[in-house]
Amino acid sequence: NAGVTQTPKFQVLKTGQSMTLQCAQDMNHEYMSWYRQDPGMGLRLIHYSVGAGITDQGEVPNGYNVSRSTTEDFPLRLLSAAPSQTSVYFCASTRSGRTDTQYFGPGTRLTVL
Amino acid sequence: GNSVTQMEGPVTLSEEAFLTINCTYTATGYPSLFWYVQYPGEGLQLLLKATKADDKGSNKGFEATYRKETTSFHLEKGSVQVSDSAVYFCALRSLTGANSKLTFGKGITLSVRP
Repeated sequence: NAGVTQTPKFQVLKTGQSMTLQCAQDMNHEYMSWYRQDPGMGLRLIHYSVGAGITDQGEVPNGYNVSRSTTEDFPLRLLSAAPSQTSVYFCASTRSGRTDTQYFGPGTRLTVL
Repeated sequence: GNSVTQMEGPVTLSEEAFLTINCTYTATGYPSLFWYVQYPGEGLQLLLKATKADDKGSNKGFEATYRKETTSFHLEKGSVQVSDSAVYFCALRSLTGANSKLTFGKGITLSVRP
C-alpha cells in the first residue's frame, strides 16, 4: 500500500519557470490538500479538493493552480515561479469525516533562484 | 474561524526527562484534535488523536487529553528518548465534508540530548 506519493523529491527552478508537483494516493480518499511548510510559519494550506472535479482555495493560493480530474491525483502547478515560493510542499489526503486522520506524502523541496 | 496555538520553541531536554508541549485551540462546533509528528527529512504522521471531550489519545508513550473547559490538548510523555527528537504539530478539524479543513499550529521542535 503506497499511501500518498509525491514527485519529485527535490527541484530547483529559475524565476519565471513553470512546473507541476505531482501527488497521488491509492486509498480512495475524497479529500486532498496541498500545504507549504516554511520556517517559523508551520503548515499553510494552499489549495484543497473535496472530490474529483471540485477544488477550492486555501490560505495562500496565489501563484498556484490545481485540478482534480481523478480521485487519485491532485497536481499542483506553479505558473511562474518566484523566490518566495521556495519551500517544502506536502500533499495530504483523508476521508472527509471530522474524526478522520490526514495522511501526508514525503514532501517536495523546491528552490527558486 | 478556527485556530491552534502552540507554545513557543524550540525545546531541548535530556533523555528520560518529562515532556509537556502546550496546545490550545479556538473552534466552531465540536472539533477533533490531533497531534502530528515530523521526523527529520520526512512528512507528517499522526501521533495520536481525540475526537470528543475528556477523551485521551495515546501512542508510543505520548498522551494528550481533550479538555473542553480549558480548550486545550497538551502533549505529555513521562520519559523522552533521543529518537523522539522531531517537530510536533497540534491540529484540529471541526466539520465534516466540504467545509472540513485541518487547522495546524506552527509546530515546535523538540531536541533530546543523550
